[in-house]
Amino acid sequence: DTGVSQNPRHKITKRGQNVTFRCDPISEHNRLYWYRQTLGQGPEFLTYFQNEAQLEKSRLLSDRFSAERPKGSFSTLEIQRTEQGDSAMYLCASSQPTGAIRLADTQYFGPGTRLTVL
Amino acid sequence: AQSVTQLGSHVSVSEGALVLLRCNYSSSVPPYLFWYVQYPNQGLQLLLKYTTGATLVKGINGFEAEFKKSETSFHLTKPSAHMSDAAEYFCAVQPNAGKSTFGDGTTLTVKP
Repeated sequence: DTGVSQNPRHKITKRGQNVTFRCDPISEHNRLYWYRQTLGQGPEFLTYFQNEAQLEKSRLLSDRFSAERPKGSFSTLEIQRTEQGDSAMYLCASSQPTGAIRLADTQYFGPGTRLTVL
Repeated sequence: AQSVTQLGSHVSVSEGALVLLRCNYSSSVPPYLFWYVQYPNQGLQLLLKYTTGATLVKGINGFEAEFKKSETSFHLTKPSAHMSDAAEYFCAVQPNAGKSTFGDGTTLTVKP
């Protein structure tokens, strides 16, 4: 178990540029989550996948944001035409829900990608 | 809809003193509850979780939390603070398997 990895760890870009982040989950986990965290706040849910299917998207995820998990393994999060308000830590988490009657979904987080938009 | 309130954005204790970080939640169904710790410029590390069964949950690094349904609380405690406990702590609620809703966090400072 090598944990959840995210690349790059830091990204500085100019307003209007496109950026893409990658997340590699724990290998046996079928769920993958993206959260965004701004300074002084807790993580906010963006979207999640079960295998390759994107099951839920937050209203926070504007049309400039897109996420994919093409083969049910790693995932990418792309932000087009970045804005200064996109500056944040982008966190990825993975999980393998368990439970006989009701599923519990313990999410394990990666180190995050810190985005700075100038 | 579910929500989490962490009372006290900053808590300061002396080394060796009791740590108490408060978390209250609202949820339309019996929730799953989690505490995470975050060190500067790092991701979140799971401290402990409540899913079913015993309401007093023990986690890593000597932390524990008690689920009190009547008070809708899940406070985090540690009997004796250590300098290495200084970090930001997040409580999260998950009404069903899926996305979690996090509180805004509590920054714990440990004074020598």
